[in-house]
Amino acid sequence: DAGVTQSPTHLIKTRGQQVTLRCSPKSGHDTVSWYQQALGQGPQFIFQYYEEEERQRGNFPDRFSGHQFPNYSSELNVNALLLGDSALYLCASSLTPVYNEQFFGPGTRLTVL
Amino acid sequence: GQNIDQPTEMTATEGAIVQINCTYQTSGFNGLFWYQQHAGEAPTFLSYNVLDGLEEKGRFSSFLSRSKGYSYLLLKELQMKDSASYLCAVINSNYQLIWGAGTKLIIKP
Repeated sequence: DAGVTQSPTHLIKTRGQQVTLRCSPKSGHDTVSWYQQALGQGPQFIFQYYEEEERQRGNFPDRFSGHQFPNYSSELNVNALLLGDSALYLCASSLTPVYNEQFFGPGTRLTVL
Repeated sequence: GQNIDQPTEMTATEGAIVQINCTYQTSGFNGLFWYQQHAGEAPTFLSYNVLDGLEEKGRFSSFLSRSKGYSYLLLKELQMKDSASYLCAVINSNYQLIWGAGTKLIIKP
């Protein structure tokens, strides 16, 4: 049973560029949440997707956008990258939008220079 | 605002017991999670509490008091592999997960 997968593992971008991160949820899960985790901090909720709709959103600017596909996989897009966007981006999937146990992917380490 | 407080760092000895506390102030409460995160890895689920009391799962136990906005994670018979960060997260009334910054646990031989 494949768990949550994310790609790429690592990414280096420069300020002002755009980036797309990808996530495939655990088999049987239809809900995907995205988090940003700065070094030494807990995850910060970006948004959650369910039935191809953004269901919940955290306190992140519109530069952060996402998408969910019919197969439940998801993308996170960040435009106009800032140095402060450097972080580990985690994708988590769950059985329902109303939280129960979330399964996390290995994350994408984004470095903005 | 919404706030979750955990100690930044704790140190314990192999074979001993350690208790990691978490206090929270959130807009509503629909459950509390504890996750373990090894350095450079994704968080992994440890426990979920929604009712007051103690939930025991092997060497790990988690306690919740909703009236006090308080939880703790108890780790027994500590092993070196337990060295990790332990994250407390609360589901608020909007069903958003609010995360603490995590407690880095250092286990010494």
